[in-house]
Amino acid sequence: NAGVTQTPKFRILKIGQSMTLQCTQDMNHNYMYWYRQDPGMGLKLIYYSVGAGITDKGEVPNGYNVSRSTTEDFPLRLELAAPSQTSVYFCASSYPPFSHGYTFGSGTRLTVV
Amino acid sequence: AQTVTQSQPEMSVQEAETVTLSCTYDTSESDYYLFWYKQPPSRQMILVIRQEAYKQQNATENRFSVNFQKAAKSFSLKISDSQLGDAAMYFCAYTQGGSEKLVFGKGTKLTVNP
Repeated sequence: NAGVTQTPKFRILKIGQSMTLQCTQDMNHNYMYWYRQDPGMGLKLIYYSVGAGITDKGEVPNGYNVSRSTTEDFPLRLELAAPSQTSVYFCASSYPPFSHGYTFGSGTRLTVV
Repeated sequence: AQTVTQSQPEMSVQEAETVTLSCTYDTSESDYYLFWYKQPPSRQMILVIRQEAYKQQNATENRFSVNFQKAAKSFSLKISDSQLGDAAMYFCAYTQGGSEKLVFGKGTKLTVNP
């Protein structure tokens, strides 16, 4: 049981480049999330999904896109990378009634230069 | 807006001693869940303990326990017999019952001194 798997673990992008952060889970969780973690700022929700084909914006969605074609996968797309997107990105999954919290991936450290 | 406040950016404790990390939150709901997550230098987010708001009894997991004061909207984490491996960032978080979104505090960095 792998849980939530994120790739890559580290990445350096140049300003204006694009990339996709991959996230997959094998727990059959309907709910999946993308958070970003900036130093001293905790985790902020970027996008989330309550099931295949359904996505919604979180607190800080600008500059990102997501898709959810299957229950297992929830990729995060960065278009036209900017230095402000330098952060650590976490994917997570959960299931109702949410009393167990989230299962997190190991994170992706992204640097935009 | 839902908010979670951790008023101590950094804390330190001597090995084998006890430390308490503070957390307050803001909600008008009566049904919600509270969590403490640990993030060691490996970056992995690890669930330490959880509390259901409708339960009056404070949650306990081995050396970790909480002091849940619902009326005061306070949810502090007590670590007893601190160990070097407890050194990490600790995040308080909560979600309203039925809501799928966790709201996190900014974290407290805990240092354990030998």
